[in-house]
Amino acid sequence: GAVVSQHPSRVICKSGTSVKIECRSLDFQATTMFWYRQFPKKSLMLMATSNEGSKATYEQGVEKDKFLINHASLTLSTLTVTSAHPEDSSFYICSARTPAVEKLFFGSGTQLSVL
Amino acid sequence: LAKTTQPISMDSYEGQEVNITCSHNNIATNDYITWYQQFPSQGPRFIIQGYKTKVTNEVASLFIPADRKSSTLSLPRVSLSDTAVYYCLVGVVDFGNEKLTFGTGTRLTIIP
Repeated sequence: GAVVSQHPSRVICKSGTSVKIECRSLDFQATTMFWYRQFPKKSLMLMATSNEGSKATYEQGVEKDKFLINHASLTLSTLTVTSAHPEDSSFYICSARTPAVEKLFFGSGTQLSVL
Repeated sequence: LAKTTQPISMDSYEGQEVNITCSHNNIATNDYITWYQQFPSQGPRFIIQGYKTKVTNEVASLFIPADRKSSTLSLPRVSLSDTAVYYCLVGVVDFGNEKLTFGTGTRLTIIP
């Protein structure tokens, strides 16, 4: 199946710093990517939809200035958590839709811990 | 978007067949049904997708009745490695900007 690569897998940072998470579609072009957030033992919550070459669409309650999304190419979307605080600690997951086969493939996730 | 309802958790013994049912009463004509598996600290993994009747692949079967208001994921002869959370999602095939939202999922625990 299609491969979505997400990096880093784990990051620990100090409060107030910014963290960038990358999501790459390795063997297909993804015009649309999705970013999710997951708390322990909870389901995935959609944060935003990232479209190549245009602004991301954020879900209600998600601060766009806090979670900056850039989808500059058909194979790369980035999520930057700006001025991270301990409450931003969570598991972040990206996914990409394959144009030929209508499925979503997910990255391996990034565990963010803000001290 | 069709809302889905699944059992919160299930237990089963190794070697048994496990059936997880998902209710989606408001499923739309163009919606497909897709199941994902998630292990701790990993992203969800695609298991199977279907529109109606029965779909089978190398890891699972998906049963969808004629009214499509529910679907059942069947895992044959489960092993300990099948312990995971299973999510049922419904959405249109041509996602476009279609958002896929996850329900609670079913936490399946396989007992030795």
